Amino acid sequence: DGGITQSPKYLFRKEGQNVTLSCEQNLNHDAMYWYRQDPGQGLRLIYYSQIVNDFQKGDIAEGYSVSREKKESFPLTVTSAQKNPTAFYLCASRTDAAGTYNEQFFGPGTRLTVL
Amino acid sequence: KQEVTQIPAALSVPEGENLVLNCSFTDSAIYNLQWFRQDPGKGLTSLLLIQSSQREQTSGRLNASLDKSSGRSTLYIAASQPGDSATYLCAVEGGANNLFFGTGTRLTVIP
Repeated sequence: DGGITQSPKYLFRKEGQNVTLSCEQNLNHDAMYWYRQDPGQGLRLIYYSQIVNDFQKGDIAEGYSVSREKKESFPLTVTSAQKNPTAFYLCASRTDAAGTYNEQFFGPGTRLTVL
Repeated sequence: KQEVTQIPAALSVPEGENLVLNCSFTDSAIYNLQWFRQDPGKGLTSLLLIQSSQREQTSGRLNASLDKSSGRSTLYIAASQPGDSATYLCAVEGGANNLFFGTGTRLTVIP
C-alpha cells in the first residue's frame, strides 16, 4: 500500500518546547516538501529536499528545521523560535525524474496546537 | 512573486448541476498547474495536473483547462454529487520546486 504517512495526527506543544513531525513515503520519490496551512491562507512552503542529505528553505523557514538522512523520511522540527506554530502541517512528495508527470502527492497532515 | 486567486471562496449548488471553479495567476511563466481536493481536516488529493504546454486534462467528470497567456485555469465538474463537497485548491509551479497555492473554493453540493 503505497503512500505518504504523517504522525502524529494531532500534536500539542507547550511554550518553549521543540516538537518533531514525522513524514514517511514509500513511493520511491526523490523530492519531499513541508507546507503549512492556516485558515484563510494558501499553503506556504517551509522546506523542501530534492535529494538525500540536501534541503532548501522555502518561504517561511524561520523557526523550523529539517533533515533528510533517508530517501523515504523527511522529519520537520518546530522549534521554540517559531512564535506562532499553531497550524495544519502537510508533507508532500514527488518524483523529480526528468520527463515524468511531476504531480505532488500529499500526506494526511498533522495538526499542531500550542497550549 | 506569483499570486494565485480563486473566486468564489464558497459555492453552493444543487445536486446534478454542472459547475465551474476558477483560478487565476499573475505570472504566466509556469511549468504546470495542479488542482487538488481537500476534505475537512484531511490532506490534499491530487485531481489533475496540466503541463504548461497543454490546454486541458480530463479525469472522469472533471475537466481542467489552462490558458497561460491570460493567467487562468478552470475546473469543470459535470453532474455534481454530494460527495463532491470539499474545498478545491489550485496551485501553480513556477520553478525552484515551489508550488504557489490559492486559498481555495469551498464547494457544497446540496442533495
